[in-house]
Amino acid sequence: DSGVTQTPKHLITATGQRVTLRCSPRSGDLSVYWYQQSLDQGLQFLIQYYNGEERAKGNILERFSAQQFPDLHSELNLSSLELGDSALYFCASSQRVSDTEAFFGQGTRLTVV
Amino acid sequence: DAKTTQPNSMESNEEEPVHLPCNHSTISGTDYIHWYRQLPSQGPEYVIHGLTSNVNNRMASLAIAEDRKSSTLILHRATLRDAAVYYCILSRTSGTYKYIFGTGTRLKVLA
Repeated sequence: DSGVTQTPKHLITATGQRVTLRCSPRSGDLSVYWYQQSLDQGLQFLIQYYNGEERAKGNILERFSAQQFPDLHSELNLSSLELGDSALYFCASSQRVSDTEAFFGQGTRLTVV
Repeated sequence: DAKTTQPNSMESNEEEPVHLPCNHSTISGTDYIHWYRQLPSQGPEYVIHGLTSNVNNRMASLAIAEDRKSSTLILHRATLRDAAVYYCILSRTSGTYKYIFGTGTRLKVLA
């Protein structure tokens, strides 16, 4: 158990809908990362937050947004969903903004039908 | 972001050492070398990291070439539980860490 909690574990939704994925980092970790893993793309870095502020952005679509709240949990919002958004979404956390070890959650499997 | 190159797959016999190579010819002086692995149906987990010197921990050893353009992850005695995808990643020491994952090496351990 990495200490990073992601909910829900599974999510099935229809195209065009909007969903919110939640991540609770390890106790004491200030930095949260989001990744998308699909079969044909591998693990893609989406975005990083540190202590409530956005710190790095990767290949995140405009339809996707994220935030980190004062209690340090983070949410990834996915809207106008398409079939291609079906993937595993991982959250990771680390203590600092620049850290050598990140801890990953078990992921949320999103299926868009 | 600097890129890494790894073989797509490797096989090893149980109880034998495994050497997983990684090429990173465009590495810069401030890049750390990280290794993560992803077991089936799980999120990635940290294995080891280094900057210039070889590193050992309870999971593995990391051997870094003198010119830092390549590195090797060494599992001293492979077990069936070590079957996973192993990712070699570079990340800058300054600013923020963006772990950019490549395609990794799928390690198969034979009983």
